[in-house]
Amino acid sequence: QQQVKQSPQSLIVQKGGISIINCAYENTAFDYFPWYQQFPGKGPALLIAIRPDVSEKKEGRFTISFNKSAKQFSLHIMDSQPGDSATYFCAASIIKAAGNKLTFGGGTRVLVKP
Amino acid sequence: NAGVTQTPKFQVLKTGQSMTLQCAQDMNHNSMYWYRQDPGMGLRLIYYSASEGTTDKGEVPNGYNVSRLNKREFSLRLESAAPSQTSVYFCASSVPNQPQHFGDGTRLSIL
Repeated sequence: QQQVKQSPQSLIVQKGGISIINCAYENTAFDYFPWYQQFPGKGPALLIAIRPDVSEKKEGRFTISFNKSAKQFSLHIMDSQPGDSATYFCAASIIKAAGNKLTFGGGTRVLVKP
Repeated sequence: NAGVTQTPKFQVLKTGQSMTLQCAQDMNHNSMYWYRQDPGMGLRLIYYSASEGTTDKGEVPNGYNVSRLNKREFSLRLESAAPSQTSVYFCASSVPNQPQHFGDGTRLSIL
């Protein structure tokens, strides 16, 4: 049972375009929603994260939108660049639970064409 | 600035062999984690250690054991490797209420 569902599995976007990745979760106790970026041969690295008390968070070209009632959140990559080509994972956790365990979505492979 | 260091980076085993994956962090983090990454399934938690001296099962613990050797080191052991355990294994660490930091993984193939 996958508690965090991510779509699409892959995405091709032209340089300068917008990449949009969506995630849906089931456990209403989740209260921390990070996005990780992973390059080939490397471990995931935190990109941006949001708590459910805000509906949007922006850091540079990356924006998280959060819809608590729909139990959905999304990552928007504005002005996509070839260097953004990577696999992106959404995740969720209960931040005060022992160990702050993350539940990951299945990942989205993004390819930005020059 | 090593962060989270995993050894080895690559390993090929035969079915039934045993192996220990090593992980060490130099960030003085309390919590450490082991995940496996399989295509289309994201990362799944195998075991975690919320603090030195404690370990708990994650989502997919069967076939694995762990040891929190000290605050810095957290090892993952496969006692009798099976082809279904072919995967990329990631170790991570964190402090409470902060993001997890990941190592670069161990790529394990079991024939």
